[in-house]
Amino acid sequence: QPVLTQPPSASASLGASVTLTCTLSSGYSNYKVDWYQQRPGKGPRFVMRVGTGGIVGSKGDGIPDRFSVLGSGLNRYLTIKNIQEEDESDYHCGADHGSGSNFFWVFGGGTKLTVL
Amino acid sequence: EVQLVESGGGLVQPGGSLKLSCAASGFTFSGSAMHWVRQASGKGLEWVGRIRSKANSYATAYAASVKGRFTISRDDSKNTAYLQMNSLKTEDTAVYYCTRRGIVGATVWFDPWGQGTLVTVSS
Repeated sequence: QPVLTQPPSASASLGASVTLTCTLSSGYSNYKVDWYQQRPGKGPRFVMRVGTGGIVGSKGDGIPDRFSVLGSGLNRYLTIKNIQEEDESDYHCGADHGSGSNFFWVFGGGTKLTVL
Repeated sequence: EVQLVESGGGLVQPGGSLKLSCAASGFTFSGSAMHWVRQASGKGLEWVGRIRSKANSYATAYAASVKGRFTISRDDSKNTAYLQMNSLKTEDTAVYYCTRRGIVGATVWFDPWGQGTLVTVSS
């Protein structure tokens, strides 16, 4: 089963750019990954889904153009340009695996993004 | 407005039971797969399980950590999903969210999410 690994923290200055990484375990390079934003005290919010070919489908409602994704090998990246204060959040990646009763969904540990 | 509202959380002793509800509005509940996800304080998200639609035989699947203790069900006439939790352990303490797995063309995503309901397992 896949394991998704995220750095626990990241930081960036206001107006700068940052790239968050979600790394799939070996053997799962063809997996697509969802990215979710979770502001303090709130439920998660869909950002977008990414595979090795880039974004899969559309961005979530209200996600600005400053957010983009890229997929390469085992890594799935979420890049935020021109960081704003409201981008300070936890960012979670997740992927599904299997089917039927053997289906499950796995999340990474999340990355806390601090805006300096 | 597309919305999910969870209820039923509270304080329960280890070994006890609790049933959570997730009331849906603003979308075709009966055709949607519904998932439960939990989050312990200060921790990441953990998938709990899911139930598919009638068209998919109401198939369920569970995380290994809850399999055999938790049961997900749904009542399409009430637009409500449920999470029955038995044999609760202290490590089940978390905010529990329900969410829909939506599919529109190539876009697949968890949305909406409820506000969450807190379950505390403690003596």
